[in-house]
Amino acid sequence: QQPVQSPQAVILREGEDAVINCSSSKALYSVHWYRQKHGEAPVFLMILLKGGEQKGHEKISASFNEKKQQSSLYLTASQLSYSGTYFCGTEYHYGQNFVFGPGTRLSVLP
Amino acid sequence: GAGVSQSPRYKVAKRGQDVALRCDPISGHVSLFWYQQALGQGPEFLTYFQNEAQLDKSGLPSDRFFAERPEGSVSTLKIQRTQQEDSAVYLCASSTERQGAPPYEQYFGPGTRLTVT
Repeated sequence: QQPVQSPQAVILREGEDAVINCSSSKALYSVHWYRQKHGEAPVFLMILLKGGEQKGHEKISASFNEKKQQSSLYLTASQLSYSGTYFCGTEYHYGQNFVFGPGTRLSVLP
Repeated sequence: GAGVSQSPRYKVAKRGQDVALRCDPISGHVSLFWYQQALGQGPEFLTYFQNEAQLDKSGLPSDRFFAERPEGSVSTLKIQRTQQEDSAVYLCASSTERQGAPPYEQYFGPGTRLTVT
C-alpha cells in the first residue's frame, strides 16, 4: 500500500524552509527518504526507525510520528541544490521490502 | 567501483522484442534490488536478491519479466515480448546489508530508460 506524500509540489525561494510529509494508513516500521534529480538516480538522505529519534543531515532533518504513522522531512534555509523530487519509502514490517511514495517535487529558485 | 552502474542507459525496442538490462552493483554488496519507475512516479519494487538467491519476486508484473544474478554480483533483468506498458525507467539498487537486518541504505544506479514502440 503506497504511502501518501504532501504536498505534491512546492516552490521556494533560496533560504526559505519547507516541510514534506509522508503518511501511511498502516503501521510503519521504518521510513526512508531519498532525493532524485531529473534524469539521475535517487540518492539516500536518511532512515527513521519506529521508536527512533529525529535525525539530521546538514540542514535537512526528519521526524517519525508513530501515533500518526507519519514522517516529516524538514528542509531549512533551502539551497538551489535542494531542488529535486523527494521520495519516502516505507517499510511496514521488519525486513519487508519497502514501498515508495509518489514523490514531492521541490523547486528552489534564486 | 565508484557506484552502481547500469547498461544500456537507453533502450528502444519494438513491441514483441526481448530486452536484457544489466546491473553492476557496488562490489561486495550482498543485496540487489530492481525497481520500475514510470514517468512522474516513485520507484516500484520488482524483485530482490541476496547474493545469488532471488528471495522476493512478488513485484514482477508478469511472467514476461525474469531476473537473475547467477554469481551473486552482476544482475540481468530480462523482459520478453515487450509491450508498450513496459516503457519506464528500470532502476537497480544495491546494499551492503541482508534483508531483515537493521534498515539499510540503498545505492541506486542511474537507470535504464526503456521505450517500447
